[in-house]
Amino acid sequence: GQQVMQIPQYQHVQEGEDFTTYCNSSTTLSNIQWYKQRPGGHPVFLIQLVKSGEVKKQKRLTFQFGEAKKNSSLHITATQTTDVGTYFCAEYSKTSYDRVIFGPGTSLSVIP
Amino acid sequence: DTGVSQDPRHKITKRGQNVTFRCDPISEHNRLYWYRQTLGQGPEFLTYFQNEAQLEKSRLLSDRFSAERPKGSFSTLEIQRTEQGDSAMYLCASSFGEDGYTFGSGTRLTVV
Repeated sequence: GQQVMQIPQYQHVQEGEDFTTYCNSSTTLSNIQWYKQRPGGHPVFLIQLVKSGEVKKQKRLTFQFGEAKKNSSLHITATQTTDVGTYFCAEYSKTSYDRVIFGPGTSLSVIP
Repeated sequence: DTGVSQDPRHKITKRGQNVTFRCDPISEHNRLYWYRQTLGQGPEFLTYFQNEAQLEKSRLLSDRFSAERPKGSFSTLEIQRTEQGDSAMYLCASSFGEDGYTFGSGTRLTVV
């Protein structure tokens, strides 16, 4: 069945360093969504990517969708302690399902 | 508050008891989802509604689980004869069409 894989599972960075998490799917995606979940909180929607090769930026966050629409990445420049949390990619494919399936997430720790 | 509301926030129940959770979505959203999340994992899809129609139910959901969304407004999730393995955070989310999801704060269920 459909599933997304994310790497790494955990990442510890020094404050100010960059961070990247990668999301890979076995199938072509209609779109991909990214969510952030702070410790003890609930997932919060960040962005949705729809077009092949799409790149979107939100301040220090850069999101990319692969040309084949099978992978995506989230890059954070100059991490801050407020970036701590788990970042989930969620695949949305209308071929079989009409809702998102979440990946396992990448847990980011930022050392001040 | 115009976000997604879930009640109760916490529920402790004895094994074998029935529990019911409520979710009030954002009023303009036509889609409502239930997910379950355990520690260190991504949200796992349970079921979803478009307006009042339940369009999909996960194969992982046993017959002890039932959900309703009367009149296409709030939704309830009932678990009958709870088991220790049902202990998890139960998340409700709503969306308009294929937009990103807005999650509630969740109901944490502990079965003792």
